[in-house]
Amino acid sequence: GAGVSQTPSNKVTEKGKYVELRCDPISGHTALYWYRQSLGQGPEFLIYFQGTGAADDSGLPNDRFFAVRPEGSVSTLKIQRTERGDSAVYLCASSFAGNTEAFFGQGTRLTVV
Amino acid sequence: AQTVTQSQPEMSVQEAETVTLSCTYDTSENNYYLFWYKQPPSRQMILVIRQEAYKQQNATENRFSVNFQKAAKSFSLKISDSQLGDTAMYFCAFEMRTSYGKLTFGQGTILTVHP
Repeated sequence: GAGVSQTPSNKVTEKGKYVELRCDPISGHTALYWYRQSLGQGPEFLIYFQGTGAADDSGLPNDRFFAVRPEGSVSTLKIQRTERGDSAVYLCASSFAGNTEAFFGQGTRLTVV
Repeated sequence: AQTVTQSQPEMSVQEAETVTLSCTYDTSENNYYLFWYKQPPSRQMILVIRQEAYKQQNATENRFSVNFQKAAKSFSLKISDSQLGDTAMYFCAFEMRTSYGKLTFGQGTILTVHP
């Protein structure tokens, strides 16, 4: 596609529920990144994929968070047993491997009530 | 660990004037990149300008330029001839050369351009 696409744009869920956030990177980009941006803060790194594998998942806050990229393109960020503190904008970015310019999507705003 | 600090939560400027946004960072690394990103209300992060730490020459992109002081670990953004469309949140970010895509962001500065 023309840019990084994230769906849904907004998601409201109840505490304790499971959610999936989807990211469609720019075609041909092998690197994909997830960030979390809490209100009034800068984005924080969660995980980086190179192809199908997670090259760096050091930013995932706990084992309730998991991400996959089974075919090296679309990625899904999965959050189990959501908590109110998970409320944030989740940003996805992609780039060519080894290129420092990452292109961001418009994010998914997750609200846990 | 790297840290990035933006000490100006909010800034304002008149249209056509010049404004400078401040950023300092802390790292023990020698090879890294620095960035300024713009985030309008649409939430999409847009790259404004990038600086390689090994380059002494300050990066420029049209109306945007940086003042990179490596010894002082300072990386400020100057916006000349400010336009209403420059109104947004601006983030300074750091990336180690060995960790592509793993950006450390500052807290952001809200810039408002007044007509």
